[in-house]
Amino acid sequence: GQQVMQIPQYQHVQEGEDFTTYCNSSTTLSNIQWYKQRPGGHPVFLIQLVKSGEVKKQKRLTFQFGEAKKNSSLHITATQTTDVGTYFCVGPMEYGNKLVFGAGTILRVKS
Amino acid sequence: SAVISQKPSRDICQRGTSLTIQCQVDSQVTMMFWYRQQPGQSLTLIATANQGSEATYESGFVIDKFPISRPNLTFSTLTVSNMSPEDSSIYLCSVRNRGQGYEQYFGPGTRLTVT
Repeated sequence: GQQVMQIPQYQHVQEGEDFTTYCNSSTTLSNIQWYKQRPGGHPVFLIQLVKSGEVKKQKRLTFQFGEAKKNSSLHITATQTTDVGTYFCVGPMEYGNKLVFGAGTILRVKS
Repeated sequence: SAVISQKPSRDICQRGTSLTIQCQVDSQVTMMFWYRQQPGQSLTLIATANQGSEATYESGFVIDKFPISRPNLTFSTLTVSNMSPEDSSIYLCSVRNRGQGYEQYFGPGTRLTVT
């Protein structure tokens, strides 16, 4: 079945270091979304990418959608303790209006 | 964006009993979903709650175990029936409006512990 794979599973960085999480789909995606879940919280929508090769920035966060629309990445520059949480990439299922969540990358930041 | 509330926020239940979780949205939404998130895991879709008709369940989830109601465009319930410790999890309601992309909003979740 359709899968969205995400690496790494876990990353522990020193505050100020950069962080990147990668997402790969077994099928071509019409779009990809990224969500952030703080510890004890619920997933919160960050961004949606639609176009092949698209790059979007939100302050220190840079999101990229691959040319083949099968992979994506989220890069955080100069991490802060407020960046702590789990980052999920999410793609639409091939059929229907449902979403497939990647396994998520847990980010911990040491101050 | 939609504001979603869920009740209860948490509960501890005995095995064999049932719990009904309520999801209330502050505006009408076309699509409502129920997810389960086990500790340290990703989200798994249980079902799509359809207004006025039976919910659409994902593989591995059945109506007898997880009956869902959706009487209108702002409210839905999920019941976890005949609970066992394996049902201990966080249950999340999520909404989306068709025609506005795939962006979804999530409720705060219900943390269920079955003893």
